[in-house]
Amino acid sequence: KAGVTQTPRYLIKTRGQQVTLSCSPISGHRSVSWYQQTPGQGLQFLFEYFSETQRNKGNFPGRFSGRQFSNSRSEMNVSTLELGDSALYLCASSTGTGVDYEQYFGPGTRLTVT
Amino acid sequence: AQSVTQLDSQVPVFEEAPVELRCNYSSSVSVYLFWYVQYPNQGLQLLLKYLSGSTLVKGINGFEAEFNKSQTSFHLRKPSVHISDTAEYFCAVIPSSGGSYIPTFGRGTSLIVHP
Repeated sequence: KAGVTQTPRYLIKTRGQQVTLSCSPISGHRSVSWYQQTPGQGLQFLFEYFSETQRNKGNFPGRFSGRQFSNSRSEMNVSTLELGDSALYLCASSTGTGVDYEQYFGPGTRLTVT
Repeated sequence: AQSVTQLDSQVPVFEEAPVELRCNYSSSVSVYLFWYVQYPNQGLQLLLKYLSGSTLVKGINGFEAEFNKSQTSFHLRKPSVHISDTAEYFCAVIPSSGGSYIPTFGRGTSLIVHP
């Protein structure tokens, strides 16, 4: 079974720009969650999509948004980038139905904002 | 709401020595418990989980953890570590009721194995 894939793996952007990150979940998984990982704040939950609907949301500003497509692939968008948005963005997929509660993580996208 | 505290941010240990990584949690409801590992430049990978049953849980790579409800702890142990165990380890909880499947993670413990 293919794992979770994220593209791109590395990204360098300038303050004020916007960025879109992509995540392809494990086949059959309907839930995709996004996390921001930084040395200072650790792993912080951004949002979860289940069957194309945002089901849970973390405490991040509206500049962070996402969506999920009918094939469960998900995208995350950050508008008006700030230096503090530099982080590793992790995507995780799961069944989303409480079958095993395990989250399967992708390798992440390393975003650097200059 | 839940919270997870990993008591040590960094644990240095020599190869073949035993190790314990500590995790305590706080929750007003029962929880399921997890340990994940993150190797450099990779995502997180599940080591083991406790959903119900025996409080001693065995996972991959020789790791095990014990759920202690009275102490609200879920410490991770390995009797003999290898250099390849050097990684970041995360403890996480999910409430067992309420329909949320989103884990709350601790801040992580960096395990550094020296030769």
